[in-house]
Amino acid sequence: NAGVTQTPKFRVLKTGQSMTLLCAQDMNHEYMYWYRQDPGMGLRLIHYSVGEGTTAKGEVPDGYNVSRLKKQNFLLGLESAAPSQTSVYFCASSYSGRGIYNEQFFGPGTRLTVL
Amino acid sequence: AQSVTQLDSHVSVSEGTPVLLRCNYSSSYSPSLFWYVQHPNKGLQLLLKYTSAATLVKGINGFEAEFKKSETSFHLTKPSAHMSDAAEYFCVVTLNTGFQKLVFGTGTRLLVSP
Repeated sequence: NAGVTQTPKFRVLKTGQSMTLLCAQDMNHEYMYWYRQDPGMGLRLIHYSVGEGTTAKGEVPDGYNVSRLKKQNFLLGLESAAPSQTSVYFCASSYSGRGIYNEQFFGPGTRLTVL
Repeated sequence: AQSVTQLDSHVSVSEGTPVLLRCNYSSSYSPSLFWYVQHPNKGLQLLLKYTSAATLVKGINGFEAEFKKSETSFHLTKPSAHMSDAAEYFCVVTLNTGFQKLVFGTGTRLLVSP
């Protein structure tokens, strides 16, 4: 049982390049989330999904796209990377989106630098 | 809307002394509350959660938190700090009605000196 895994762990991009971050979970969770973490700002929600084939915008969605083609995978894409997207990205999953059942399990993170 | 305030950005303690990390929340309805810990260069791990079954919640690694509705607080404590407790701690609030996103505090960095 690997929990939540993320690939890659580190990446350096040049401004304007694109990339996709992959998140996978083996807990059969319906809900999945992408966050970014910046110093002094806690975690901010980028996009989330309440089930296979569905996605929705979070707090800071601009510049990102997501897809949830399979229940176990949640992809985060950057079409044209900008230095402001330099951050640590965390994926999470939960059984439900309600109350205590929204206990979220986090991946180890992807550290992205955009030059 | 719900919100959470972590009152200290940094807390420094000596090994073997008590730990107190403060958290106040704001919520229109009955909240669920969590504490997560993040060790350097790691993901977040759940320490404990408030489920409304008991106001004193015990978590992993000797941590506990007390839900005080009158004070809208959910402070995290540990009787005796260990060097391995040095990490960042996040207080998180959500609601118990329908689908709700987690709202994270900005974090408290705990420093433990020998």
